[in-house]
Amino acid sequence: EPEVTQTPSHQVTQMGQEVILRCVPISNHLYFYWYRQILGQKVEFLVSFYNNEISEKSEIFDDQFSVERPDGSNFTLKIRSTKLEDSAMYFCASARLVSLNQPQHFGDGTRLSIL
Amino acid sequence: GESVGLHLPTLSVQEGDNSIINCAYSNSASDYFIWYKQESGKGPQFIIDIRSNMDKRQGQRVTVLLNKTVKHLSLQIAATQPGDSAVYFCAEIKAAGNKLTFGGGTRVLVKP
Repeated sequence: EPEVTQTPSHQVTQMGQEVILRCVPISNHLYFYWYRQILGQKVEFLVSFYNNEISEKSEIFDDQFSVERPDGSNFTLKIRSTKLEDSAMYFCASARLVSLNQPQHFGDGTRLSIL
Repeated sequence: GESVGLHLPTLSVQEGDNSIINCAYSNSASDYFIWYKQESGKGPQFIIDIRSNMDKRQGQRVTVLLNKTVKHLSLQIAATQPGDSAVYFCAEIKAAGNKLTFGGGTRVLVKP
């Protein structure tokens, strides 16, 4: 069964450094998402992306965050100047269509640790 | 404000028994509800969904019930197995958008 893949599985970065998290969505999916999960908390929406532009973003997704689909397969999340509070699991998800019976499929996440 | 929340943080169940996980929501505009399962070290995995115009939907060993009167959602797992040990999240999608809003999660521990 096709799946969303994320790399790296664990990223350790110094505070203030830039980090890029990578995702390969399922190949025929058109809608892409990033979520994050701070340890012990619920999963929170960051941003959705369709047709090479952001569809929706949360208040968490400020100017330090950006997303890109640099080619036909990758979907990246960049944090320009990381803060301690950016430490979390970051999940990429994709969906074939935006309809209520097309669920979002999640990758296994990247654990981001800011030192 | 809007919220999707869970009643119990941890549920211990004997192998073979049925499990019931509950979720409350406050936004009447939500059109679609989903249950996800998250195993340790993995991402959320889709289990079952239900539209707001339905009361009940059954899958393989799982049933989701929706009570719109009291804004309550539940997931029933029949004959719980060790592989069902995980954290279970309810999530909602509002009619106008497609982002998932997750609840806080319930951990299910299956005792042999």
